[in-house]
Amino acid sequence: GAGVSQSPRYKVAKRGQDVALRCDPISGHVSLFWYQQALGQGPEFLTYFQNEAQLDKSGLPSDRFFAERPEGSVSTLKIQRTQQEDSAVYLCASSLGTGTYEQYFGPGTRLTVT
Amino acid sequence: AQKVTQAQTEISVVEKEDVTLDCVYETRDTTYYLFWYKQPPSGELVFLIRRNSFDEQNEISGRYSWNFQKSTSSFNFTITASQVVDSAVYFCALSGLGPARQLTFGSGTQLTVLP
Repeated sequence: GAGVSQSPRYKVAKRGQDVALRCDPISGHVSLFWYQQALGQGPEFLTYFQNEAQLDKSGLPSDRFFAERPEGSVSTLKIQRTQQEDSAVYLCASSLGTGTYEQYFGPGTRLTVT
Repeated sequence: AQKVTQAQTEISVVEKEDVTLDCVYETRDTTYYLFWYKQPPSGELVFLIRRNSFDEQNEISGRYSWNFQKSTSSFNFTITASQVVDSAVYFCALSGLGPARQLTFGSGTQLTVLP
């Protein structure tokens, strides 16, 4: 079975541009997470979906960050008016249920803002 | 607040040596879960193990073993007879019981196994 996929794998944006990052979770996985990983650091939580409901967005660093999962499967993380500090790898993870299941990660999208 | 500390930033060993990666955590939750993930150069985080706070039994899986000690808030990971393919960044992570069950990661330990 397919794992978590993310696209694009690499994205270069000029400062001020909007970007959209896509995540395809494992089929049937209820929970979906977005994390941000800066160079040399561990991933940091951004937001969480249970099916289509965004239950926690406490990790989003600013109101320029927006995530959605309208049909409870594919999710998009959008960053408006990108800044250099947004440069990072954005990781998507999914898990089977709503308890503390292991999370399966995608390969990430490396965003570079110039 | 939760916190995970991996004090070893980088470790280098020669193939076939044993190596232990340290992980210390802080949480106010009485029930929590601990994880180890491996991040090879390709970048994708690979799940290795999940343990809950009620189960302090050590676990062995092939060349991997984990030592969970609640008294010292540690969850250390040992690779026996290391191989070059074990070279990666290893992350320890903690999950509480909040609605998101999100993972709090340590900063990772870069393990290099030399031939």
